[in-house]
Amino acid sequence: EVQLVESGGGLVKPGGSLRLSCAASGFTFSNAWMNWVRQAPGKGLEWVGRIKSKRDAGATEYTAPVKGRFTISRDDSKDTLYLQMNSLKTEDTAVYYCTPDRALSYWGQGSLVTVSS
Amino acid sequence: QTVVTQEPSLTVSPGGTVTLTCASSTGAVTSDFYPNWLQQKPGQVPRALIYSTSNKHSWTPARFSGSLLGGKAALTVSGVQPEDEAEYYCLLYHGAAQVGVFGTGTKVTVL
Repeated sequence: EVQLVESGGGLVKPGGSLRLSCAASGFTFSNAWMNWVRQAPGKGLEWVGRIKSKRDAGATEYTAPVKGRFTISRDDSKDTLYLQMNSLKTEDTAVYYCTPDRALSYWGQGSLVTVSS
Repeated sequence: QTVVTQEPSLTVSPGGTVTLTCASSTGAVTSDFYPNWLQQKPGQVPRALIYSTSNKHSWTPARFSGSLLGGKAALTVSGVQPEDEAEYYCLLYHGAAQVGVFGTGTKVTVL
């Protein structure tokens, strides 16, 4: 059974930093391209970014609003995905989900990040 | 900034058929955009329905189908059930870098 468990969310002040983790199980994590998707309260889904597998050079891509502030990384030895978020803005307030592959087949329960003074 | 547009809302009667569309501001949607469709009910996590234009996940009910229609991606629900009332999002991957962009979402009401 595929499981994705996001953690690390919380309340942070504008300009602050936070690192989210996503612990994966039930599939071969090292072969998977992994995505972060977010959803602001009462709003639609937003694709945040993706990291390819090491086999595909581990390349990353980001949506424009987070480029230069967010960094996606992975530790295949721990089956864990990370999202380092710096220079946080109030508009980054959202539930953050990790989801594998281009088909976004499986979803965790998400981790809430609130950016507020 | 690329914008992916969906109908804001659609209403359908139980047993009827409804088609949702997904358009990209960059031009015609093709299979290269790897169109995905997801369903989200209030208070729930999104659920993937369709990937790569028309492929269903093992859990996707047979009444859901995906296609390309007039330069857009499309999701058709045939024989709509009350439990299909939800928000539906498409996701398109753009360019050589395959950057993902979600659509604006369509709220489907079954009435």
